Amino acid sequence: QAGLTQPPSVSKGLRQTATLTCTGNSNNVGNQGAGWLQQRQGHPPKLVSYRNNNRPSGISERFSASRSGNTASLTITGLQPEDEADYYCSAWDSSLSAWVFGGGTKVTVL
Amino acid sequence: QVQLVESGGGVVQPGGSLRLSCAASGFTFTTYGMHWVRQAPGKGLEWVAFIRNDGDKKFYADSVKGRFTISRDNSKNILYLQMNSLRAEDTAVYYCAKERVDSGSYFDYWGQGTLVTVSS
Repeated sequence: QAGLTQPPSVSKGLRQTATLTCTGNSNNVGNQGAGWLQQRQGHPPKLVSYRNNNRPSGISERFSASRSGNTASLTITGLQPEDEADYYCSAWDSSLSAWVFGGGTKVTVL
Repeated sequence: QVQLVESGGGVVQPGGSLRLSCAASGFTFTTYGMHWVRQAPGKGLEWVAFIRNDGDKKFYADSVKGRFTISRDNSKNILYLQMNSLRAEDTAVYYCAKERVDSGSYFDYWGQGTLVTVSS
């Protein structure tokens, strides 16, 4: 099953802003938007954004998401060391009747 | 608080079977759909299967269709994944995840995962 497309890595300095992208098609991201998951090394994933720009309770306001057409974006402002992690986007694909993930973006805070 | 605890992982030979369990607590289990997601060593996330809250609707990834079966016992708050005809490429950490529904379907809370190794 085809997945979503994410850049493999993003590196930014401390307190800078990182923007991650996730590209799909009209059957997935362009349909119901994307969710974003953070996975720190050695830990299970954690939902940080859903329905394009909603944050679960406890997630920092430094995380914000948006969507334009078939591309979803996650922006992390004021990067902190604890933001170093792999970030995955996910979406329901109505043509595949399946959930799909992006390959993940590794965020490094310099 | 939401807790999901997977168990049942281990080492199995190719062609063998294994049943994973996920014990849920801290939320009304019967209200939510549940997923299994796996992650091969050093790789990304791969969705495996989903079951609706009432157990009546199930979806599977093409890679496991016909070999894996997802089920749930709503009286015990347990999710299962029966895995048959296992292959080396099924080696992964298997996570169960609670669904969040909000104008779309998302992966909400996750368990710590259980490791399945398929090797002779």
